[in-house]
Amino acid sequence: NAGVTQTPKFQVLKTGQSMTLQCAQDMNHNSMYWYRQDPGMGLRLIYYSASEGTTDKGEVPNGYNVSRLNKREFSLRLESAAPSQTSVYFCASSALSTGELFFGEGSRLTVL
Amino acid sequence: DQQVKQNSPSLSVQEGRISILNCDYTNSMFDYFLWYKKYPAEGPTFLISISSIKDKNEDGRFTVFLNKSAKHLSLHIVPSQPGDSAVYFCAASDRNDMRFGAGTRLTVKP
Repeated sequence: NAGVTQTPKFQVLKTGQSMTLQCAQDMNHNSMYWYRQDPGMGLRLIYYSASEGTTDKGEVPNGYNVSRLNKREFSLRLESAAPSQTSVYFCASSALSTGELFFGEGSRLTVL
Repeated sequence: DQQVKQNSPSLSVQEGRISILNCDYTNSMFDYFLWYKKYPAEGPTFLISISSIKDKNEDGRFTVFLNKSAKHLSLHIVPSQPGDSAVYFCAASDRNDMRFGAGTRLTVKP
């Protein structure tokens, strides 16, 4: 009964390093999302994928890239990490008909 | 440009009393509204939703009210329990885009 699984849960990077956050869902959902949560800002959408093979920018896409590898997996890549990307990142999936999102447990990223 | 606003960062309520969490939105294209609950070190979980064709939706102790003319929704929890202590996010969707408020931290005191 995994739902949405994100890895890693914690990561510390130095400015300029790259990394990929992995996300997988086992609910056969078409849509997948990456959000970041910052104090006082709520959850802000970085990128989303409405279906396998498509990706679109959200509110705050700069500095990120994504790949929808297949229906289950949606990864988020930081090519050159910056301190402003220190945040908690959440992956989510949804069945289009309801709009309800199912979230992973989050990945806390610190960029020094 | 915050299209969904939760103006109260925190709320403290006594166990057994009513908790009322408020949310305002600016985009009249939003037609579906949701509340999520988040415990520390966990992802948000869906709590309750309401479509724009309704003005009230109830699920056990949780009721969401929607006032479209005021672009305002609220979540009522009655009676409040200590296990309800969490951060509550309001979200609004137009089926293509879902925007979240900044969250309200609810503390229910025994």
